Amino acid sequence: GAGVSQSPSNKVTEKGKDVELRCDPISGHTALYWYRQSLGQGLEFLIYFQGNSAPDKSGLPSDRFSAERTGGSVSTLTIQRTQQEDSAVYLCASSLSFSVRGNEQFFGPGTRLTVL
Amino acid sequence: AQSVTQLDSHVSVSEGTPVLLRCNYSSSYSPSLFWYVQHPNKGLQLLLKYTSAATLVKGINGFEAEFKKSETSFHLTKPSAHMSDAAEYFCVVSDLSGGSNYKLTFGKGTLLTVNP
Repeated sequence: GAGVSQSPSNKVTEKGKDVELRCDPISGHTALYWYRQSLGQGLEFLIYFQGNSAPDKSGLPSDRFSAERTGGSVSTLTIQRTQQEDSAVYLCASSLSFSVRGNEQFFGPGTRLTVL
Repeated sequence: AQSVTQLDSHVSVSEGTPVLLRCNYSSSYSPSLFWYVQHPNKGLQLLLKYTSAATLVKGINGFEAEFKKSETSFHLTKPSAHMSDAAEYFCVVSDLSGGSNYKLTFGKGTLLTVNP
């Protein structure tokens, strides 16, 4: 079946602009995650959605970052007033319910964001 | 709190020779441990995982890892490297601290180069 898809694959924007990154999880996966992969910081957890529960936003680096998940499926990560340090690859993952120990997270190919 | 240390940022081997990628972890609770692989411009793919069953875990493509609690290690091995194994490898831990076993903590990654 189809894996996790993300769009766009590449995004170049100017400093100060807003960007939206999209993630389509695997059908039937109730949990969805966003991570950021950057040269200096490695892979960092950003946010987690599980069903209709309140998301865990503890990894968001600033209030310029927000995410939503509509209808328990597609998710959008929004970065407002982008800064050059936001340049990174943004990865989305999905899994079955987190409550199962060691549930595998399936990753999408990522969106490479470049802020000029 | 959980953390992961990958002891080598870069490992270079010849094709047909053994591979050893080292990982040490720190976890307050009984952890789940994973190895993910990332080929250039591709998404992260799960190689194998440990979730408290057998301590020797076999994964895809001939890789295996052994969980050693006394040494807090989870090293990845393969008897014979293939050119297609060239990629970046991430050791990952999650535990039950705070009920957030969905949070993956990634190591900094080890870049594996395979020479002909």
